[in-house]
Amino acid sequence: QKEVEQDPGPLSVPEGAIVSLNCTYSNSAFQYFMWYRQYSRKGPELLMYTYSSGNKEDGRFTAQVDKSSKYISLFIRDSQPSDSATYLCATKTSYDKVIFGPGTSLSVIP
Amino acid sequence: EAGVVQSPRYKIIEKKQPVAFWCNPISGHNTLYWYRQNLGQGPELLIRYENEEAVDDSQLPKDRFSAERLKGVDSTLKIQPAELGDSAVYLCASVSGGSDTQYFGPGTRLTVL
Repeated sequence: QKEVEQDPGPLSVPEGAIVSLNCTYSNSAFQYFMWYRQYSRKGPELLMYTYSSGNKEDGRFTAQVDKSSKYISLFIRDSQPSDSATYLCATKTSYDKVIFGPGTSLSVIP
Repeated sequence: EAGVVQSPRYKIIEKKQPVAFWCNPISGHNTLYWYRQNLGQGPELLIRYENEEAVDDSQLPKDRFSAERLKGVDSTLKIQPAELGDSAVYLCASVSGGSDTQYFGPGTRLTVL
């Protein structure tokens, strides 16, 4: 079992839709949770960073962590074509390396 | 502020040839990472530097891969000899002291024929 798993998609939604991206992890020692966005032929860029269960909101983006279920979600409201990218969830312990999921490819259709 | 710079952006070589990638991190960032990203996968750590010291190279295939960061600034990752399975994107990332935010470069896309 991989440490971090994601549905690879591809996920295709119409512009304006609410997008839900999900991730599960296996190690209960993971304490920090991140979402990265990666455009084609670019490096990943950090979108959201959280270390607690619950919700964290930043503009149209909301990250949700449920440590009891080892489940991480990213919600995108009012999705835009510019949101079309691969979304990588990632996690780490306080002292160890970052473990990335395989990513979910998202296309927002105008 | 300039981001992480990597070169070359693309490299095509034949198997058994050597290849080198270069990374210049964001100015002042002491921590530097090299990752490998296979198609459809997330980045996987190869090596982490704190200044000029390699503090985690447990995932680096040392029989053919080597890396250096001699002056604690820019870094080079080398593969010799390259194998077909080394085809991937090689990403460099840097972090400022006291932060957890990794800033990634655009990567070098390696194709081994």
